[in-house]
Amino acid sequence: AQSVTQLGSHVSVSEGALVLLRCNYSSSVPPYLFWYVQYPNQGLQLLLKYTSAATLVKGINGFEAEFKKSETSFHLTKPSAHMSDAAEYFCAVSPYSGAGSYQLTFGKGTKLSVIP
Amino acid sequence: GAGVSQSPSNKVTEKGKDVELRCDPISGHTALYWYRQRLGQGLEFLIYFQGNSAPDKSGLPSDRFSAERTGESVSTLTIQRTQQEDSAVYLCASRLDGGRGNTEAFFGQGTRLTVV
Repeated sequence: AQSVTQLGSHVSVSEGALVLLRCNYSSSVPPYLFWYVQYPNQGLQLLLKYTSAATLVKGINGFEAEFKKSETSFHLTKPSAHMSDAAEYFCAVSPYSGAGSYQLTFGKGTKLSVIP
Repeated sequence: GAGVSQSPSNKVTEKGKDVELRCDPISGHTALYWYRQRLGQGLEFLIYFQGNSAPDKSGLPSDRFSAERTGESVSTLTIQRTQQEDSAVYLCASRLDGGRGNTEAFFGQGTRLTVV
C-alpha cells in the first residue's frame, strides 16, 4: 500500500526563518500529493497539491513544495516563518485503489512552532 | 451546503453505549471519507465511499464500527459498545470526484467524542 512518511513530529523555527517540513512517499508511480494544514481546534484545509503539471507547486500563505521523483519526496517550504504559521501540517497521497477510486492517506503530521 | 457539516460537534457518552456520528458532504461530491484523530496523533483512515461502489472498509478498527451512506449524500458512522480508547475527533471529508485522484478533499470540523 502506498504511504507517506513525515520526518519530525515537531519542528520549531524562529520567526523570519526558513520553514522546511519533510515528506517522503512510497510509490513506484508518481502519485497525487497534497499538503494540508490544521490550525488549533479547526478542520484541515488544503495548502497545495501536486498533480504532475509542474514539479514546483505554489500554495497559499507563501508555502511551496517541490516534487522530486528521484528522492520520492515532496517537502514543504516557506522562506520566512510567521507567527500565524504555527499549526499542524499533514502530507497526503492519493493512490489509485481500483474500480475507478482513489484513496486518501495521510502522514502522521508535523507540528510547527514559531518562536518570536 | 457550503461546506462539509458534521454533527454533533461534541459528544460525551458512557462506556458501553452506542453513538452515531453524522456527516453531510458538499452537494455533488461523490467521494466521502471518515478518519479518526486521537489526541496528538495523525489521521487514521476508517472508511471510504465512492459513488455506488462498495465502500472501502479496510480501516475500521473493529466490528463495533460501521458506516453507511445514502446515495451520494449523508453518511453516518456508528460505534457500538463504546470504549475509552474510542475517544477521539472523528473527521469527515468529501471530494468532488474520487475517480480523479487530483481533486481536493474538503473537511468538516469534526466530532469530538469522549467516552467516560
